[in-house]
Amino acid sequence: EVQLVESGGGLVQPGGSLRLSCAASGFIFTNYWMHWVRQAPGKGLLWVARIDSGGSGTSYADSVKGRFTISRDNAKNTVYLQMNSLRAEDTAVYYCATVFEIWGQGTMVTVSS
Amino acid sequence: QAGLTQPPSMSKGLGQTATLTCTGNSNNVGNQGAAWLQQHQGHPPKVLSSRDNRRPSGISERFSASRSGNTASLTITGLQPEDEADYCCSAWDSSLNGVVFGGGTKLTVL
Repeated sequence: EVQLVESGGGLVQPGGSLRLSCAASGFIFTNYWMHWVRQAPGKGLLWVARIDSGGSGTSYADSVKGRFTISRDNAKNTVYLQMNSLRAEDTAVYYCATVFEIWGQGTMVTVSS
Repeated sequence: QAGLTQPPSMSKGLGQTATLTCTGNSNNVGNQGAAWLQQHQGHPPKVLSSRDNRRPSGISERFSASRSGNTASLTITGLQPEDEADYCCSAWDSSLNGVVFGGGTKLTVL
């Protein structure tokens, strides 16, 4: 079964850090660029970051550039999102996805004091 | 970052046909096409159509996608109650070096 399973979400204070993980299974992980996409409560989808299949190329949305880092471990079929200097406006469900083919279930991140 | 343009809402009757549109530019939709996502409240997005307008396995033939220039379209025939959902388009933007999404169209089936 094709699957993406996110973990690592939770409640964090403003200025804090969190690391999200996404485990892939059921497909050839190294064939795909991987992305993180977020969705604030009641809002639309917003692309956050992407990493190419080899892990050497990345790009970020302006709103997270310099604070978030995407990485992947192809040996573990896992992609990560390191989130630093978190703000209230980062509160959202974070999805791991190939975007155009496969989506995970999402993990909730709440930034609040 | 600029996104794709979709009408915010649409209402159609049971059994009718709905055509949803998504307008971008030559850097995104016009260049590599758009994928269509369906999202029910409280659930993750599901891909209905890939950027080359093909349906993934398991997606009903009632959903079909097309593109003309910088505008992508999703047509849903024989509307069913379960089709009531948010529909969002997505595309790779070569100038932004990232993915852009439409704001989504909330489809109501009367």
